[in-house]
Amino acid sequence: DTAVSQTPKYLVTQMGNDKSIKCEQNLGHDTMYWYKQDSKKFLKIMFSYNNKELIINETVPNRFSPKSPDKAHLNLHINSLELGDSAVYFCASSQDLAGKAFFGQGTRLTVV
Amino acid sequence: ILNVEQSPQSLHVQEGDSTNFTCSFPSSNFYALHWYRWETAKSPEALFVMTLNGDEKKKGRISATLNTKEGYSYLYIKGSQPEDSATYLCAFIRRDNNDMRFGAGTRLTVKP
Repeated sequence: DTAVSQTPKYLVTQMGNDKSIKCEQNLGHDTMYWYKQDSKKFLKIMFSYNNKELIINETVPNRFSPKSPDKAHLNLHINSLELGDSAVYFCASSQDLAGKAFFGQGTRLTVV
Repeated sequence: ILNVEQSPQSLHVQEGDSTNFTCSFPSSNFYALHWYRWETAKSPEALFVMTLNGDEKKKGRISATLNTKEGYSYLYIKGSQPEDSATYLCAFIRRDNNDMRFGAGTRLTVKP
């Protein structure tokens, strides 16, 4: 029974397309995050949501937008995809600000 | 220190050696410090959540200490085993926003 699940696991798409990555957690957590793993394997925070409110919004392009239909979901929408968007994206959730994070399995996005 | 910094970047040890890594973080607005273990092709998994200055946590052969006043945490592994090979990440959580920022990690390789 997966705690944090992301779909799809792999996504290959062309430049200019719009795509979404879904994330769901069944832990009842209040906080969810999106991270981008860059080419050096570094996890860079993109967004976090706490009780459906956007708490931080890193300096990511406005082509990226998080959408949370309910507390258990935080989806990542990306418009006008660019080659540089190719990366692995991780979703995570935690009970509260100090709680340990549980990660999804990651989504490898490849823009061609 | 404005960001989360980890050292060394990578470490190669022999089976049975004991080792330690460092995580440095801003000493102001401290809320919590996490350690995660990240195996190749998997997702990061939490090892420790540390919130108080002087905290010491232990899980089997792995332990961690925390100094919030000077902004550092150490992770120790006693008697390293090949299965300990992974990237060890620390994450700093600020008090004034819901911001969980990761260091670049220490990549540990334990040779049999």
